[in-house]
Amino acid sequence: EPEVTQTPSHQVTQMGQEVILRCVPISNHLYFYWYRQILGQKVEFLVSFYNNEISEKSEIFDDQFSVERPDGSNFTLKIRSTKLEDSAMYFCASSTQGARTEAFFGQGTRLTVV
Amino acid sequence: AQKVTQAQTEISVVEKEDVTLDCVYETRDTTYYLFWYKQPPSGELVFLIRRNSFDEQNEISGRYSWNFQKSTSSFNFTITASQVVDSAVYFCALSEAVYTNAGKSTFGDGTTLTVKP
Repeated sequence: EPEVTQTPSHQVTQMGQEVILRCVPISNHLYFYWYRQILGQKVEFLVSFYNNEISEKSEIFDDQFSVERPDGSNFTLKIRSTKLEDSAMYFCASSTQGARTEAFFGQGTRLTVV
Repeated sequence: AQKVTQAQTEISVVEKEDVTLDCVYETRDTTYYLFWYKQPPSGELVFLIRRNSFDEQNEISGRYSWNFQKSTSSFNFTITASQVVDSAVYFCALSEAVYTNAGKSTFGDGTTLTVKP
């Protein structure tokens, strides 16, 4: 069964460093997303991406964050100059038809900023 | 603005009991989609069901059933004869489809279900 895969599963980084979280969405999906879940809290939308551009972003997704689809398969989230409060589980998701279909989520990358 | 409320933070039941997880949503759109996801202790998000705003039919899938009522803006989830493996955090989510087709989802705070043997 096709699935969204994320790497790494866990990343520890020092405050101020840049991190790149990687995702391989399901191959025939056209819409891609990043969500964040701070430990024990709700899942929060960060950004959606369609047709090689950001279609929507939340207020959390400020200039510290960027997304990219560098090739036909990967979808990355870059966090510049990480802060302690960026520590969270980051989920990548993809869907075939945006809001009309369910998003399939990856297993998540747990980011720990120390 | 869209909002999802899951008033039950934690529920604990004994195996084989039935349990209902409540979800109330707010939206100004006439076209929207509702979802339930399960997050087991391993942390991944598992899709359970999707409902669009024009389909109020209740749905049953094995021990799971969903009751969608537009009149009360609710989309409740019932597990019949609960099992220990049902222990997880359950999230209700809402996507609006007016401004973009991108499908940004707003999640509720989640309900932690513990099923004791």
